[in-house]
Amino acid sequence: EADIYQTPRYLVIGTGKKITLECSQTMGHDKMYWYQQDPGMELHLIHYSYGVNSTEKGDLSSESTVSRIRTEHFPLTLESARPSHTSQYLCASSVTQGPSGANVLTFGAGSRLTVL
Amino acid sequence: KNQVEQSPQSLIILEGKNCTLQCNYTVSPFSNLRWYKQDTGRGPVSLTIMTFSENTKSNGRYTATLDADTKQSSLHITASQLSDSASYICVVSDRGSTLGRLYFGRGTQLTVWP
Repeated sequence: EADIYQTPRYLVIGTGKKITLECSQTMGHDKMYWYQQDPGMELHLIHYSYGVNSTEKGDLSSESTVSRIRTEHFPLTLESARPSHTSQYLCASSVTQGPSGANVLTFGAGSRLTVL
Repeated sequence: KNQVEQSPQSLIILEGKNCTLQCNYTVSPFSNLRWYKQDTGRGPVSLTIMTFSENTKSNGRYTATLDADTKQSSLHITASQLSDSASYICVVSDRGSTLGRLYFGRGTQLTVWP
């Protein structure tokens, strides 16, 4: 059963529209992430957060922005969508696990965005 | 350069057969290695996580091995089922930061035919 929820699952919009992808988790995890994934390619980290009021840019440059006002909520916003933003966006959260302190991620089902 | 390479890129097997997926990495300093299963249109789901001192870890019909000296890992699937059809992603974490940076492979696309 999913403990991290993403909406919408699919979104088709026109160029120039503002969109927000929602991500919520019920596990109380402090760390949350947004990844971008294109078909047949590896996941790329675009944003992450250590906790409330903490947001950082990831390895892949993105025109999107994020906010973390509540622990459970980590929305991603695109002010003006373009066809180049067409991709799958995956939200994840994590907790430190085991004596090694491994950061184990739990992923949402993803939001597939298509910009026409 | 820290990289994770997976092979084969895609694989087709018949239901009931076994298969082995490979992962080679150059990530250093190494912290842990994870295998994820990603169904089409879904998010990845963790199968196993292995640290430096672990050589083998099983999760049902999935068995992962790790050779930290040669920087290689494998995921063996026994008695495959149709539901095993998915992309299997190898992810390696370093110890370079508190967050533990993750390096993702591109995945092996496994198709199981009846």
